[in-house]
Amino acid sequence: EPEVTQTPSHQVTQMGQEVILRCVPISNHLYFYWYRQILGQKVEFLVSFYNNEISEKSEIFDDQFSVERPDGSNFTLKIRSTKLEDSAMYFCASRTQNTEAFFGQGTRLTVV
Amino acid sequence: GDSVTQMEGPVTLSEEAFLTINCTYTATGYPSLFWYVQYPGEGLQLLLKATKADDKGSNKGFEATYRKETTSFHLEKGSVQVSDSAVYFCALRDGETSGSRLTFGEGTQLTVNP
Repeated sequence: EPEVTQTPSHQVTQMGQEVILRCVPISNHLYFYWYRQILGQKVEFLVSFYNNEISEKSEIFDDQFSVERPDGSNFTLKIRSTKLEDSAMYFCASRTQNTEAFFGQGTRLTVV
Repeated sequence: GDSVTQMEGPVTLSEEAFLTINCTYTATGYPSLFWYVQYPGEGLQLLLKATKADDKGSNKGFEATYRKETTSFHLEKGSVQVSDSAVYFCALRDGETSGSRLTFGEGTQLTVNP
C-alpha cells in the first residue's frame, strides 16, 4: 500500500540552527501539507502546497518557515533559525483531488 | 474560527467494553467531519468520515453520526479490542472558509486492557 514517508523520525538540533524536514508524498498525489503537534497540544495546520506554490498558510507559518518541492518526489519543510518553541512532532500529508489526506508517521523535532 | 473539542482523556477500558469518545465542533460553514487514528509509531490514518448532516461514517466496527443540531460527531464502538489502543483525533474541514486544511481536536488516548 502506498504511504507517505518522512525522514528523519527524530531530529535534535541546537537553537538558532536551520533544519530541513523531508517528506516523500504518495507518487500520484498533487496536494501537500505540513502540520505540527506540540506535546500535549492539538495538531495544527501549517501550510498547504499545490502546483508548485503555497495555496494556504496559517499564522504559525511565518518567515522562519519555508516549503519546497525540489524534485518530483520530495516535499521539504525548512525552519531557518529554530527556537525552543519549534519543538514538536511535524506531520506531512498528501492527497489527490478525490481522496482524503494520507499522513506520514511524523518527525519529532527537539530544539535544545 | 473553526474549532474541534474532544473529551478529555486518556480513556482506559477493558476488552469488549463499549467505547464513546465525544467530539463537538464550531464552524461557520458546512464542514466535513473526520476521525483519524494514530497507532503507536505510525502516522495519522483516516478511520471514518461524514460529509453532511445525519450521515453516519463507519469503519472497523467504529461509527460516528454527524449531528448538526448538537454540532457533534461522537465516536462509538460496541466492543473494543486490545488492538484498538491508539490515539483518536476528531477533525473537520470547512471548505467554504478554510480551503482544504484540517482542524483537529486534542486527541484522545485509548488504552484497552485484556
